[in-house]
Amino acid sequence: DIQMTQSPSSLSASVGDRVTITCRASQSISSYLNWYQQKPGKAPKLLIYAASSLQSGVPSRFSGSGSGTDFTLTISSLQPEDFATYYCQQSYSGYTFGQGTKLEIK
Amino acid sequence: EVQLVESGGGLVQPGRSLRLSCTASGFTFGDYAMSWVRQAPGKGLEWVGFIRSKAYGGTTEYAASVKGRFTISRDDSKSIAYLQMNSLKTEDTAVYYCTRLTYYYDSSGRLRGDAFDIWGQGTMVTVSS
Repeated sequence: DIQMTQSPSSLSASVGDRVTITCRASQSISSYLNWYQQKPGKAPKLLIYAASSLQSGVPSRFSGSGSGTDFTLTISSLQPEDFATYYCQQSYSGYTFGQGTKLEIK
Repeated sequence: EVQLVESGGGLVQPGRSLRLSCTASGFTFGDYAMSWVRQAPGKGLEWVGFIRSKAYGGTTEYAASVKGRFTISRDDSKSIAYLQMNSLKTEDTAVYYCTRLTYYYDSSGRLRGDAFDIWGQGTMVTVSS
């Protein structure tokens, strides 16, 4: 099974900050990597698919990059509504999520 | 509006069964694969399984943790996906989300990836005596 490891597990940042979350796969997954945002009590929301493609309706401050085993999600300028938990997920072989990164207000 | 609505959750004893339903609207249900993802209280997301569209055989795949106990089916005439859960265990306690699985292709028709692009609001399943 492919394991997904996110870092950090939690992160404190301020509005306006540039934030990067990383995700590492236990084996190469090409670009079969997606990113989701989840707010408390709500369903996850797809942000990025195929490592770098922005889902329709998602603000352009979100971007994704990487291929193979190492991936990043970047938020260029944090907005108040971006404080949430973020998950990466591979779809190369079955479907596996990372453990999540909780982004909190500093 | 594209929407998925789950129902059927509740409290059930270990070893018993429960069936969840996912009613879709706002898109051509039969054209899409449908999947279930769960989240135990305070924990992360876990893929449960999915069912392909009839065009791709309507076949199913499951996570190892539920294989042999859970069954996903679909009724395209009603735009409903089902998750039949048998031999439930306490560790199956979670919010269960129904999701649409969308495949993405490049301009050459080559698969770029697939993702859970639409999610329902979730339904809570508690397995306890």
